[in-house]
Amino acid sequence: GENVEQHPSTLSVQEGDSAVIKCTYSDSASNYFPWYKQELGKRPQLIIDIRSNVGEKKDQRIAVTLNKTAKHFSLHITETQPEDSAVYFCAASIRGGTSYGKLTFGQGTILTVHP
Amino acid sequence: ETGVTQTPRHLVMGMTNKKSLKCEQHLGHNAMYWYKQSAKKPLELMFVYNFKEQTENNSVPSRFSPECPNSSHLFLHLHTLQPEDSALYLCASSQDGGQGRTYEQYFGPGTRLTVT
Repeated sequence: GENVEQHPSTLSVQEGDSAVIKCTYSDSASNYFPWYKQELGKRPQLIIDIRSNVGEKKDQRIAVTLNKTAKHFSLHITETQPEDSAVYFCAASIRGGTSYGKLTFGQGTILTVHP
Repeated sequence: ETGVTQTPRHLVMGMTNKKSLKCEQHLGHNAMYWYKQSAKKPLELMFVYNFKEQTENNSVPSRFSPECPNSSHLFLHLHTLQPEDSALYLCASSQDGGQGRTYEQYFGPGTRLTVT
């Protein structure tokens, strides 16, 4: 089955700096890669996702890049703010056809943004 | 109530008890999921239901028994649990497959389970 590795496990940055979280996956058939943010005591929420037919996707201060050949994808947060502090999870999935719902998550990264 | 709701939010049970967790989604989705989130492991998928049919059982011990009576409700029946089963149990739903699929999984707030 799919295996997703996420690094680093903790990341501490100063407000205004950039943060990068990296994930690798094992199943070359995976074609959908979402990122979830989980604030302390709250539920995980989707912040951005990318499908294997594109190499990069941006949404304001966050961006995700995908390298299918190397089987890795990364989350980039620019101009970090204290409210970006949370646990971030990457995930991989095979989507399309009759495939349903199975997301394999990475171990999570605790991001702390210091004011 | 909107989104995905879960009850109870907190549950303490002994190893010989039988209890059930409930999840309800108000989003019109056709797929529902149970995840286990513990301090030492990432989000672990337990079960997937699509159109009320179980499509995934991720090698979960039989002391966890899911039930999906319709596409809006999902239960997790618990019996003879072990202390290591203490964790946050998250339910999620999505509109998966076919027309209008978005893939995004919407999570509920979770049930914090403590097994004593």
